[in-house]
Amino acid sequence: DIQMTQSPSTLAASVGDRVTITCRSSRGISSWLAWYQQKPGKAPKLLIYKASRLERGVPSRFSGSQSGTEFTLTISNLQPDDFATYYCQEYESENTFGQGTRLEI
Amino acid sequence: QEHLVQSGAEVRKPGSSVRVSCKASGDRFTSYGFNWVRQAPGQGLEWMGGILPVFGSTKYAQKFQGRVTITANESTTTVYMDLSGLRSEDTALYYCARVNNNYDFNNYLDPWGQGTPVTVSS
Repeated sequence: DIQMTQSPSTLAASVGDRVTITCRSSRGISSWLAWYQQKPGKAPKLLIYKASRLERGVPSRFSGSQSGTEFTLTISNLQPDDFATYYCQEYESENTFGQGTRLEI
Repeated sequence: QEHLVQSGAEVRKPGSSVRVSCKASGDRFTSYGFNWVRQAPGQGLEWMGGILPVFGSTKYAQKFQGRVTITANESTTTVYMDLSGLRSEDTALYYCARVNNNYDFNNYLDPWGQGTPVTVSS
């Protein structure tokens, strides 16, 4: 089974900051990785798929990158609406999710 | 744009079963697959399994093998998730989500249903 290790678990930032969240897979998953944003009481929302492709309608301040088995979600110029929990998901094998990163003010 | 609308909250006793439904609003039901993901209170996301309605094929996470059954009704464009042998640890929010093709269970998920709370308590 693939393990997805996401870090940090919690991240404190301010409006206007640039933040990065990392997911590391236990083995190679090509670029089969997605990022989601979840707000309290809401379903997850797709932000990025295939490691770096921005979902239609998602602001360009969100970006994804990859270096081997390490994947990064970067949010530039943080907006108040961005404070939420973020999850990565590999879809090479068993749709395994990372543990989540809570982005708080 | 397609929407997924799930059935309402359920309360069950330990050892019983629950069925959660997910109705797809679009007219290309068999062009997609559908997965189920659950989220225990305050916890992360956990993939349970999925179905490809065009083939009727299913795939389940090993953790849920033998307890979960996912089915689909093409005429009503509805997907169902049955979970049996309920225990308190199954208390969670259950989501259905669409896969962006009809041949692969493994894919990114979009859109998602609104979630169905299932509470297991004696």
